[in-house]
Amino acid sequence: GNSVTQMEGPVTLSEEAFLTINCTYTATGYPSLFWYVQYPGEGLQLLLKATKADDKGSNKGFEATYRKETTSFHLEKGSVQVSDSAVYFCALSSIIQGAQKLVFGQGTRLTINP
Amino acid sequence: KAGVTQTPRYLIKTRGQQVTLSCSPISGHRSVSWYQQTPGQGLQFLFEYFSETQRNKGNFPGRFSGRQFSNSRSEMNVSTLELGDSALYLCASSLGGQYNEQFFGPGTRLTVL
Repeated sequence: GNSVTQMEGPVTLSEEAFLTINCTYTATGYPSLFWYVQYPGEGLQLLLKATKADDKGSNKGFEATYRKETTSFHLEKGSVQVSDSAVYFCALSSIIQGAQKLVFGQGTRLTINP
Repeated sequence: KAGVTQTPRYLIKTRGQQVTLSCSPISGHRSVSWYQQTPGQGLQFLFEYFSETQRNKGNFPGRFSGRQFSNSRSEMNVSTLELGDSALYLCASSLGGQYNEQFFGPGTRLTVL
């Protein structure tokens, strides 16, 4: 079945450091790929997405490129801020009977120190 | 536009009881999906409803059930609660198409004692 493997956390960085969170997937067909972010006490917010190979999703300084050849969708940010501290989830969509089902990675807790 | 709302936000129950959680989707959204989030298993798909019909179901026991009303509001029910059902239950709404974004609510934190 479809699955997502995400870099284990927690990850702790200093402000302005470069961030990479690795994500690889296993899927049949051509799923859409997503990064969601979860702040303490809140639900998930879509951070960025890519719907086909070589697409680059970007938002708030974060980027991820859909790499079909390596089945990867790594999240990057050039200079992190304290406000980026959160849990990040990589996900893919499975389409079953016309309905979209999200399959998530385990999540990576990111802490940014000032 | 109001976001996805879930009630209650927090719930404490004891083993053997049953519980009903509610989700009100974004206005105009006809699809509601439910997910369970636990530290051990992460985020797992429970089921999805579209126009009052369950289209998709995850790998959970029959104690977990749901329904959707004509106004697209959805409820999920868990009967005969077990300690392992303690989790954050998230619902997400969307327009219902294959590529429509899912918008998540804040979740209901269920604790089973």
